[in-house]
Amino acid sequence: DVKVTQSSRYLVKRTGEKVFLECVQDMDHENMFWYRQDPGLGLRLIYFSYDVKMKEKGDIPEGYSVSREKKERFSLILESASTNQTSMYLCASSSRDRGPYNEQFFGPGTRLTVL
Amino acid sequence: EDQVTQSPEALRLQEGESSSLNCSYTVSGLRGLFWYRQDPGKGPEFLFTLYSAGEEKEKERLKATLTKKESFLHITAPKPEDSATYLCAVQAQTGGFKTIFGAGTRLFVKA
Repeated sequence: DVKVTQSSRYLVKRTGEKVFLECVQDMDHENMFWYRQDPGLGLRLIYFSYDVKMKEKGDIPEGYSVSREKKERFSLILESASTNQTSMYLCASSSRDRGPYNEQFFGPGTRLTVL
Repeated sequence: EDQVTQSPEALRLQEGESSSLNCSYTVSGLRGLFWYRQDPGKGPEFLFTLYSAGEEKEKERLKATLTKKESFLHITAPKPEDSATYLCAVQAQTGGFKTIFGAGTRLFVKA
């Protein structure tokens, strides 16, 4: 069974802290994504990566950075957490074997609260 | 600007009461339209991909259809376990790897 796992289900951090969210997939997928999900706004893309060490900005990259040192692992970093980054963070992966138009597989999400 | 709008925001049905969810989209050339199901506290789970107008796909009580401007997710004789948020998403030909998601329709099915 395919699986995307995220390091934490719930996380509480203080304003100004550096926050690391980890995502691991076991499907050998080339593409990995980080989204945030807020009520009424849907999923918004923060960053995606189509290969190891490669990354592209999504729609809302400000205040975030990412790292992909290994194919299976994609990390999201909040350099200095702020209260407006309180959200549900979802990681996803997809295969490139049929081109870029493939469905994404999602992790369970990390609910981050910044106080 | 590429955009996806889902309606209604919430839908309450009695068990067995069939209905449809709507997804309207505006994109500069459609690569694919996706439907996902999301249960509370979980990540979205893939249901269907539709690529061209006129295409239909079915899975149990769900049937997805696609026109040039919108997609419908038809739910036939729903059961309480169909209660979830249903997300529609599109990939545009000029969007690279980006997928644009709608805000979702929350479906409640009462026994």
